[in-house]
Amino acid sequence: NAGVTQTPKFQVLKTGQSMTLQCAQDMNHNSMYWYRQDPGMGLRLIYYSASEGTTDKGEVPNGYNVSRLNKREFSLRLESAAPSQTSVYFCASSQGRGGTDTQYFGPGTRLTVL
Amino acid sequence: KQEVTQIPAALSVPEGENLVLNCSFTDSAIYNLQWFRQDPGKGLTSLLLIQSSQREQTSGRLNASLDKSSGRSTLYIAASQPGDSATYLCAVIISAGTYKYIFGTGTRLKVLA
Repeated sequence: NAGVTQTPKFQVLKTGQSMTLQCAQDMNHNSMYWYRQDPGMGLRLIYYSASEGTTDKGEVPNGYNVSRLNKREFSLRLESAAPSQTSVYFCASSQGRGGTDTQYFGPGTRLTVL
Repeated sequence: KQEVTQIPAALSVPEGENLVLNCSFTDSAIYNLQWFRQDPGKGLTSLLLIQSSQREQTSGRLNASLDKSSGRSTLYIAASQPGDSATYLCAVIISAGTYKYIFGTGTRLKVLA
């Protein structure tokens, strides 16, 4: 039981390049989330998926797209990376829509955009 | 707009000391509140979740309290150990269509042996 896994762990991009961050969970959770964490700021929600086949914008969605490929997998895509997207990205999952359900977090992807 | 603040940003204590971490929020209309631990280079681990109808939750040496009317929560760690060294984050959970987490910036705790 691996919990929430994320790939890659580290990535360096040049401005304008694209990439996809992968996330998978093996807990049969319904909801999945993407956050970014920046120094001096709390985690901020980028996108979330309350169930397979649905996605919704969070607090900071601009410059990102997501795909809930199936119940296990939730990917985050940067179409044209910008230095402002340098951050640590966390994927999380929960059984329900949150609220009383604990969110389980992956180890994070450290992204640097030059 | 809900804002969550954690003060101090960093704290160093000798091993064995009891300590309190603070979390304040600006809007008392929260659904629940959750405390997390984050180790360097790792993801977040849930410690305690306090429902809005509760005043406190306990797990081992950890006790979290919630006072919605004053917009405050505290995390009490008893008999601190070097293994408690980590960043502690609180998050308020609000109901807005779905449930959204609003995180504080964390308190970085170092327990000295």
